[in-house]
Amino acid sequence: QKEVEQDPGPLSVPEGAIVSLNCTYSNSAFQYFMWYRQYSRKGPELLMYTYSSGNKEDGRFTAQVDKSSKYISLFIRDSQPSDSATYLCAMSDNYGQNFVFGPGTRLSVLP
Amino acid sequence: DTEVTQTPKHLVMGMTNKKSLKCEQHMGHRAMYWYKQKAKKPPELMFVYSYEKLSINESVPSRFSPECPNSSLLNLHLHALQPEDSALYLCASSQVPGLDEKLFFGSGTQLSVL
Repeated sequence: QKEVEQDPGPLSVPEGAIVSLNCTYSNSAFQYFMWYRQYSRKGPELLMYTYSSGNKEDGRFTAQVDKSSKYISLFIRDSQPSDSATYLCAMSDNYGQNFVFGPGTRLSVLP
Repeated sequence: DTEVTQTPKHLVMGMTNKKSLKCEQHMGHRAMYWYKQKAKKPPELMFVYSYEKLSINESVPSRFSPECPNSSLLNLHLHALQPEDSALYLCASSQVPGLDEKLFFGSGTQLSVL
């Protein structure tokens, strides 16, 4: 079993749709959860950063963490073509010694 | 300034060449990282420098040699690379090693080894 699993996609949605991206993990020591967005031929950009369980909202983006289920989600409301990118979940333990990326989900938002 | 700057953006080299990748940040971050990313794969950690000292080397072949001349600069020296080393090489920084994993990435160097 991989430490972090993520549906690789590609996921194609029409403009304006609500997008749900998900990761599952196996290491119960993970405490910090992140979502990165990566455009083609660019470096990843930090979108959302959460600690432990709960929700965090930033504009059209909402990150959810359910530690009891070892499951994290990123929701994108009113998706735009500019949201087309690869989304990588990432997580680390309390000591920052074990930082892991998920495999990434490719998202295409069609005009 | 919230940027991590990497040069060059593209690099083509032969297997006998020696080249260097450069990375610079002026955010006062004390941890700097090299990652390697193959197409459609997540970044893979190569090296971590904490307070200008090499703290993590993920069993990277010796043909890759990192250097951290000061807290703002990070280099990756390349020698006798193989075609399978062709990838996007990403530099990243974070504020405090081990306590803050908010990584800031550069745009990367797309390396092709012929």
